[in-house]
Amino acid sequence: NAGVMQNPRHLVRRRGQEARLRCSPMKGHSHVYWYRQLPEEGLKFMVYLQKENIIDESGMPKERFSAEFPKEGPSILRIQQVVRGDSAAYFCASSPRGTGNSYITYEQYFGPGTRLTVT
Amino acid sequence: AQKVTQAQTEISVVEKEDVTLDCVYETRDTTYYLFWYKQPPSGELVFLIRRNSFDEQNEISGRYSWNFQKSTSSFNFTITASQVVDSAVYFCALRMDSSYKLIFGSGTRLLVRP
Repeated sequence: NAGVMQNPRHLVRRRGQEARLRCSPMKGHSHVYWYRQLPEEGLKFMVYLQKENIIDESGMPKERFSAEFPKEGPSILRIQQVVRGDSAAYFCASSPRGTGNSYITYEQYFGPGTRLTVT
Repeated sequence: AQKVTQAQTEISVVEKEDVTLDCVYETRDTTYYLFWYKQPPSGELVFLIRRNSFDEQNEISGRYSWNFQKSTSSFNFTITASQVVDSAVYFCALRMDSSYKLIFGSGTRLLVRP
């Protein structure tokens, strides 16, 4: 019963390159959340996706960042033209259903994170 | 607005000491959930506990205990007889019942020295 998987675990990109971060949710989970952890800070919500749908991207920077969760395959967080300020740990979490249900609480299970370093 | 404050940036103790990590939260919602996560040096996030707002019972799990006090909006975490393996960054988090977003504090780095 594999947990949430993220790859790569470490990613180094030069300024201006593209970074693609992958997240495979737990088996049976169709909801994915991305969080970003800047150095010495707590995690901040970025985006919430269901299969083929972006539910909430209010935490995503307006430019250069995009996310998808296709019908088949992992969720992808894409950062175009990376800058040094994008250096952070990016965590993915998944749940079997949305965790906004007031009757049942579905936990978000976190992956090990991808550490992005922009040089 | 919702907010989680962990005022202690870093704590250093000697092994076998007890240590309490503070967490203060702000929310106007009546139903919410509080969490503690551990982030060891390897970097992953380890879930420790979830507490519902309507359940103010304190909880003990081995050397870990949690004190939830609605009156002071606090959810403190105590490690008894600390061990070197407890060295990590600990995050407190809040989620409103009406939302899926986890709101994290800035974390407390705990160093347990042998």
